[in-house]
Amino acid sequence: AQKITQTQPGMFVQEKEAVTLDCTYDTSDPSYGLFWYKQPSSGEMIFLIYQGSYDQQNATEGRYSLNFQKARKSANLVISASQLGDSAMYFCAMREGHISNFGNEKLTFGTGTRLTIIP
Amino acid sequence: DAGVIQSPRHEVTEMGQEVTLRCKPISGHDYLFWYRQTMMRGLELLIYFNNNVPIDDSGMPEDRFSAKMPNASFSTLKIQPSEPRDSAVYFCASRMMGGQFFGPGTRLTVL
Repeated sequence: AQKITQTQPGMFVQEKEAVTLDCTYDTSDPSYGLFWYKQPSSGEMIFLIYQGSYDQQNATEGRYSLNFQKARKSANLVISASQLGDSAMYFCAMREGHISNFGNEKLTFGTGTRLTIIP
Repeated sequence: DAGVIQSPRHEVTEMGQEVTLRCKPISGHDYLFWYRQTMMRGLELLIYFNNNVPIDDSGMPEDRFSAKMPNASFSTLKIQPSEPRDSAVYFCASRMMGGQFFGPGTRLTVL
């Protein structure tokens, strides 16, 4: 079974609208972390946001927020007031085991969603 | 503060040649990761180090691949001999706490 599933291969969104990128995950580990990365056409991977499995609040970073629904094993990325510069591939990733522990550092990535912002 | 630095940014080589990719992690970060990205397989973790010690190399495809981290500020990924199927973008990333910070990647083409 896929550990990270991103069901939207591509999305087109009007500028200034909010965007939700879907991510579901599969793990039996009670401790895990969820990450979102942005990969623009230039190729670099940019870390956006992190959510720990025990975090009580949904993570937010500027225009990015993570809609964490633990029971549904869902960690959707929400981008508010989209901008043309948001056009990129977006990857959801998971780390199993608590982030402060030595443990398993491996990130498993989803297949990504290509977001295109339309002027 | 400079981010993760990788060199070269682009490498074109012929099958059978040795290829060495280099990475300088962010100062103070104690984890270093090597990833490979292809259209077919997406992003795959090859190996990671903690305090210069290799912790998990289960993602290294075969013996042709080797990675070293002689000190806290430098790591290499070597492919010898290279094959066309090794063509990919290779990323180095580092972290201390929180998310992994990626370098710009090395685009490797093996002809």
